[in-house]
Parts: sequence; C-alpha cells; structure tokens
Amino acid sequence: GDSVTQMEGPVTLSEEAFLTINCTYTATGYPSLFWYVQYPGEGLQLLLKATKADDKGSNKGFEATYRKETTSFHLEKGSVQVSDSAVYFCALSPMGTYKYIFGTGTRLKVLA
Amino acid sequence: DTEVTQTPKHLVMGMTNKKSLKCEQHMGHRAMYWYKQKAKKPPELMFVYSYEKLSINESVPSRFSPECPNSSLLNLHLHALQPEDSALYLCASSRLAGGETQYFGPGTRLLVL
Repeated sequence: GDSVTQMEGPVTLSEEAFLTINCTYTATGYPSLFWYVQYPGEGLQLLLKATKADDKGSNKGFEATYRKETTSFHLEKGSVQVSDSAVYFCALSPMGTYKYIFGTGTRLKVLA
Repeated sequence: DTEVTQTPKHLVMGMTNKKSLKCEQHMGHRAMYWYKQKAKKPPELMFVYSYEKLSINESVPSRFSPECPNSSLLNLHLHALQPEDSALYLCASSRLAGGETQYFGPGTRLLVL
C-alpha cells in the first residue's frame, strides 16, 4: 500500500544552519506531495506542495523537489531560524482518493 | 482567505456527557474532513464528507457522530466517550477530493475525564 517514511527526529540545529528533512514515499501512479508544519498547540499549516515529477514547491525559504526516480520529497532550508522550531509532516495524496497519508513527523528544534 | 475555524478551542467532558465540535469554512470547498491526532503522532483520518454526503468512515466508533448540515459547516457529535478519546481533533477542507490541498483548522483539544 501507499506509505510515507520520514527521518526520525528530533533534529536540533543552531540558528542559520542548513536544514534537510528526508521524506521518501511508496505509491502507485503520481500522487501529490505535501509538507505541513505544526507549531506547538496548533493545527497543521501547509508549507509547500508539488503535484508532478520535477516540480519544486517553495515557501518561506523552504524548498522540496518531487523526485519520481528516487521517490523522494526532501525538505530543505538554507538558514533556519528559532521560529522554525516545529513538527514537520510529509504527506502524500494518491490520485483519485480523499486520503492523505502522513509520515510520522519530524520535530525540529532550532537553538539561538 | 484559506481559513478553517473550529470551536471550541478546548473541551473537557465526562464520559456521560454529550458535546459537539464545530468546524466552518467559507472557501467554497466541497470536501471536509475530521482527523484525530494523539500527542507526537500524525493525524488519523476519521471521516470525509464530499458534497455534504459522508464518503468515508474509517471504522470510527459510533460514539463519534459526524454531521454536515451545509457545504460550509461540519459538526462532530460526541457521546459516551472514553478517556482514550482525549486528543486534538482537527477539521480540514479541500476544494474537491483526490490530490487536492487540504487546509486545516487550529483544532479542538479534547480531554475526557
């Protein structure tokens, strides 16, 4: 079945460090891929998305590229801030379904 | 505007109480969802409504009863809950189903005593 695998956290970085959070998926066809961020005590906010191979989603300095050949959608940011501390979820939505399949989430802590 | 609102923000209830959670969106979306999220876990899908009709029930116990009175409103009626039902309940909506972006509300944090 379809699935999403995220790197285990927590990830602890110093401010201005480079961030990579790995996400790989298993799915038939061409699912849409998403990154959501959840700040403490809040709901999920869409960070970025990509709907077809080689698409790059970007928002607030975060980027992720839909790689069909490696079935990956890794999240990157060149310089993290303390305010980026949150839990990041990778998700996929198979074509023609209502469902989202979430990864387990990666907690990011950025230290000043 | 990509806002989904949920009320109440927090709810404490006893196991014999009846309460309701409310979700609203004014984006013209025709698909709405209820998720349950336990601490340090991803959201788990409970129900999906499409065009005000229940499309998916992920084998949720009958003590949870969803309702979609119109295209903007989604309710979740709660009755005889158990302590293990304590969680963050998230509502989401999307324009249509199938690969569409889901927009989430801030959630209702439920504690069952």
